[in-house]
Amino acid sequence: AQKVTQAQTEISVVEKEDVTLDCVYETRDTTYYLFWYKQPPSGELVFLIRRNSFDEQNEISGRYSWNFQKSTSSFNFTITASQVVDSAVYFCALSEANNQGGKLIFGQGTELSVKP
Amino acid sequence: GAVVSQHPSWVICKSGTSVKIECRSLDFQATTMFWYRQFPKQSLMLMATSNEGSKATYEQGVEKDKFLINHASLTLSTLTVTSAHPEDSSFYICSALSRGQGRYNEQFFGPGTRLTVL
Repeated sequence: AQKVTQAQTEISVVEKEDVTLDCVYETRDTTYYLFWYKQPPSGELVFLIRRNSFDEQNEISGRYSWNFQKSTSSFNFTITASQVVDSAVYFCALSEANNQGGKLIFGQGTELSVKP
Repeated sequence: GAVVSQHPSWVICKSGTSVKIECRSLDFQATTMFWYRQFPKQSLMLMATSNEGSKATYEQGVEKDKFLINHASLTLSTLTVTSAHPEDSSFYICSALSRGQGRYNEQFFGPGTRLTVL
């Protein structure tokens, strides 16, 4: 069965601190996709990244970086030098390849609060 | 990226009435759309998969007679909450699947519809 666990319900940091959001997943498929989305207070989901299970390279995009480790079934997300605008709920999600990019299973979400 | 719209963005209705929410893919055709539901401070839960020209596939525990889905064209899916009750108050989000040339088909999300049932 597919499952995504984000153990951190809420995180509060002060601006300019680095913060890592954890994501652990479960799947029986060997081919799957992992995602991170940002949901600001407006509610609209903002796509951040998609990773397929064959690509374990870490990725960096500006202040954002992702660490994918199949050995621990984790796909953690780090924000460097956090800013107030980073305050949002962040969701990790999983899609199995046989869905051809279909059904997404979301984690519980981590609410990040960045204080000035 | 592709754009998906939802209408209305918010709606308040009386208990017992029906509410229709539209999900449109604006610049691409989507044979498959998804409907999610999100309660406050909770995650998104998939309600159903909407397929153009055929019946929707509902997730376990979702009442198909309560949440009617119609995917009548390649750019429009509608979700009708019938005989709405206060417990149906939630944030409803749709997404549309864009068939890519590669192996992966991208899913694009609408901005959501906030339903409040009084």
